[in-house]
Amino acid sequence: DAKTTQPNSMESNEEEPVHLPCNHSTISGTDYIHWYRQLPSQGPEYVIHGLTSNVNNRMASLAIAEDRKSSTLILHRATLRDAAVYYCIPPGLAGGTSYGKLTFGQGTILTVHP
Amino acid sequence: DTGVSQDPRHKITKRGQNVTFRCDPISEHNRLYWYRQTLGQGPEFLTYFQNEAQLEKSRLLSDRFSAERPKGSFSTLEIQRTEQGDSAMYLCASSSTIGQTLAKNIQYFGAGTRLSVL
Repeated sequence: DAKTTQPNSMESNEEEPVHLPCNHSTISGTDYIHWYRQLPSQGPEYVIHGLTSNVNNRMASLAIAEDRKSSTLILHRATLRDAAVYYCIPPGLAGGTSYGKLTFGQGTILTVHP
Repeated sequence: DTGVSQDPRHKITKRGQNVTFRCDPISEHNRLYWYRQTLGQGPEFLTYFQNEAQLEKSRLLSDRFSAERPKGSFSTLEIQRTEQGDSAMYLCASSSTIGQTLAKNIQYFGAGTRLSVL
């Protein structure tokens, strides 16, 4: 199974950009890379996903390495509301022909300072 | 509110009792998932349904656990003879396999049911 590696925690100041890295060096196939986040006392929330090229949406940007073995979630201007656990979901397990379960690791705890 | 709703939000029970949780997915979603999350860990997959059919069950889902989705809409998760190790947050999510490829398998989660077994 594909696995991901993320830093346990990161810190940022409010209004500054945040780059959250994820290594998925055992990637195979052509499935999407997904990111979710979980705010305190809430269920996970979809953030963004991508395949090969960089992706942008209203929440974040996703930069995907050319070899697809790593990706970086970019929050352009962190706010206090962005403090959460960010999960990078392994490719091949988030999509695929069955589009089944999501496999979460421990994620990265993002702390945002005022 | 058209999101995923779970009931109850909190449940405290004594060891050995049975508990049942309910999940109402987003109405047009044909897939429904159950996950369990313990403190400091990411959610772990338990099972999922497509319409009424239960398509996959995790090894985590012991014979004390049973999930149903009888009419392809809401789902229930029952735990029989609860143990202290069952204390966790139980999360429900839904998704749709219909529509554009990019939208497939974006899962929408409820706020969860927190179970405490005393």
